[in-house]
Amino acid sequence: DVVMTQSPLSLPVTLGQPASISCRSSHSLVHSDGNTYLNWFQQRPGQSPRRLIYKISIRGSGVPDRFSGSGSGTDFTLKISRVEAEDVGVYYCMQGTHWPRTFGQGTKVEIK
Amino acid sequence: EVQLVESGGGLVQPGGSLRLSCGASGFTFSRFWMIWVRQSPGRGLELLSNIKPDGSEKYYVDSVKGRFTISRDNAKNSLYLQMNSLRAEDTAVYYCVRDNWGPEYWGQGTLVTVSS
Repeated sequence: DVVMTQSPLSLPVTLGQPASISCRSSHSLVHSDGNTYLNWFQQRPGQSPRRLIYKISIRGSGVPDRFSGSGSGTDFTLKISRVEAEDVGVYYCMQGTHWPRTFGQGTKVEIK
Repeated sequence: EVQLVESGGGLVQPGGSLRLSCGASGFTFSRFWMIWVRQSPGRGLELLSNIKPDGSEKYYVDSVKGRFTISRDNAKNSLYLQMNSLRAEDTAVYYCVRDNWGPEYWGQGTLVTVSS
């Protein structure tokens, strides 16, 4: 199975400041169809996960533009340009290129 | 508005069975692949199974293959997960998810606890 490794696992941030989460995969996530199926999810306390980003950098419906995704191959990043209080939660990356699809272990974002 | 509502969770003894259901609304259910994902403190998020829009293709992760069966009824806008031979490690919150270039919309989840 493809292993997804996130860092850091805990990220204390100051309101209004940027934040960045890394996700590395054990295998290339480039699919034979040319797409790279890398997703990012946000899970606020007590809620279900919510998709933020798919195919590396495409924001989901209603996702604020302060969230952005980048990367290629095995190395990916989620950035929050200016952290707001509502961004507190756990963030997960997930690869959908190889079966079984696998998630990272999660990065907990909290306010300093 | 897309809505996915799971039901059927509960407490079951090891070796027992449970059937989860998911009612979908707010979109054309028969056009989308659907997924079951579970989440537990020990195993994190785990995508268990997915099913093609017409039900003709189904895929399972090794940890549930042969024990769990995914199915759907497009006439009822419903997704199901039949879980047999349940083990303690199957204890988790189970989510019904619409697949669209990856897990898109998630239900609120239903808790399954396997314990004697």
